[in-house]
Amino acid sequence: GQNIDQPTEMTATEGAIVQINCTYQTSGFNGLFWYQQHAGEAPTFLSYNVLDGLEEKGRFSSFLSRSKGYSYLLLKELQMKDSASYLCAVRDQYGGATNKLIFGTGTLLAVQP
Amino acid sequence: DTAVSQTPKYLVTQMGNDKSIKCEQNLGHDTMYWYKQDSKKFLKIMFSYNNKELIINETVPNRFSPKSPDKAHLNLHINSLELGDSAVYFCASSHSGTGATEQFFGPGTRLTVL
Repeated sequence: GQNIDQPTEMTATEGAIVQINCTYQTSGFNGLFWYQQHAGEAPTFLSYNVLDGLEEKGRFSSFLSRSKGYSYLLLKELQMKDSASYLCAVRDQYGGATNKLIFGTGTLLAVQP
Repeated sequence: DTAVSQTPKYLVTQMGNDKSIKCEQNLGHDTMYWYKQDSKKFLKIMFSYNNKELIINETVPNRFSPKSPDKAHLNLHINSLELGDSAVYFCASSHSGTGATEQFFGPGTRLTVL
């Protein structure tokens, strides 16, 4: 089966650091994506990991451990505009030209002043 | 410049009606997708087309019929709408293959079935 777990909600303070965890159990694995989705808007791409380790991109970093089926998204120097849902998605090995993403239920992050 | 566009943005209709949602991308991608996001914000793949060919069909009722007239367009037609079809439908596109082939999402169509 396919299972991707994230905390439902998190709260953090402006200027702080927050870590959003994602654990997955999927029949195949061909990369893990993080997307950000503001209320009423489309998801937008944040990061991609396919090998173990940390990928850093400005205030955002993403970590992957394939052996543990675990990833996290780290947001530094939080800003009010970071209040959004953060979606973890695993790309399944569907074969051929396919790029099938399986999404977790998302973590709603609220940044408080 | 809109990358992935969808029309309409809002769709309110009665049970039993038939409706269509249109999607267009100008990114030169060869793969397009339809996702459904329910009230709990769970985003689930419905269909994917690569070069106008259906490659993913995720156990969706056959009342839903996607059509891809060319690589830049993927439309979704829904027959005999039901209350449970109420959701936000997102179109997305990407290049095919592996690697960091991110998907670009359209703004979504909020469908409400009364």
